[in-house]
Amino acid sequence: GQNIDQPTEMTATEGAIVQINCTYQTSGFNGLFWYQQHAGEAPTFLSYNVLDGLEEKGRFSSFLSRSKGYSYLLLKELQMKDSASYLCAAFDSNYQLIWGAGTKLIIKP
Amino acid sequence: IAGITQAPTSQILAAGRRMTLRCTQDMRHNAMYWYRQDLGLGLRLIHYSNTAGTTGKGEVPDGYSVSRANTDDFPLTLASAVPSQTSVYFCASSDSAGPEGTQYFGPGTRLTVL
Repeated sequence: GQNIDQPTEMTATEGAIVQINCTYQTSGFNGLFWYQQHAGEAPTFLSYNVLDGLEEKGRFSSFLSRSKGYSYLLLKELQMKDSASYLCAAFDSNYQLIWGAGTKLIIKP
Repeated sequence: IAGITQAPTSQILAAGRRMTLRCTQDMRHNAMYWYRQDLGLGLRLIHYSNTAGTTGKGEVPDGYSVSRANTDDFPLTLASAVPSQTSVYFCASSDSAGPEGTQYFGPGTRLTVL
């Protein structure tokens, strides 16, 4: 079957760095997305990886290892507004997105 | 530019009633999607449309139907609502159904079926 695994919840301190991991098993693979979702709001796009390696976008970076079926989202210089759920999703062979349940990130002052 | 709009924002519905959730986008995206989001579960695809005039079934299509008469609108209909359809429903669109097809989401409709 197809599956995306990510931790349910993480806690970090304002100003620190946090890494949110995601492992995936899909029938075929055509790229991996990270989305941010604040409580009661819609998911918003953060990053897309299709090749192995690290993609950096300001305070956020995303890493992909296709051979390991693994990705992570790295958030630096954490701010209180980064408190949200982070959703990992992989494109399968039919270009349908398979979604993880999301990681709720709690930022403490 | 509004992006994607959904209506209603929230709704309480009696079981057995028919309900249509509306979704409109002004980005001229070809592909559109309907998802449901339940606590502790990932977003689950209900139906999708790669282009106007075509639709397809997602992971959880039973009890739902869609139509795509034009590029902008993609309504989702519950023919006879049941309590298990209580959920938050998100409509999304993308400018490509293939690679790098980043999906953009509407604000969601919170539906409660009693």
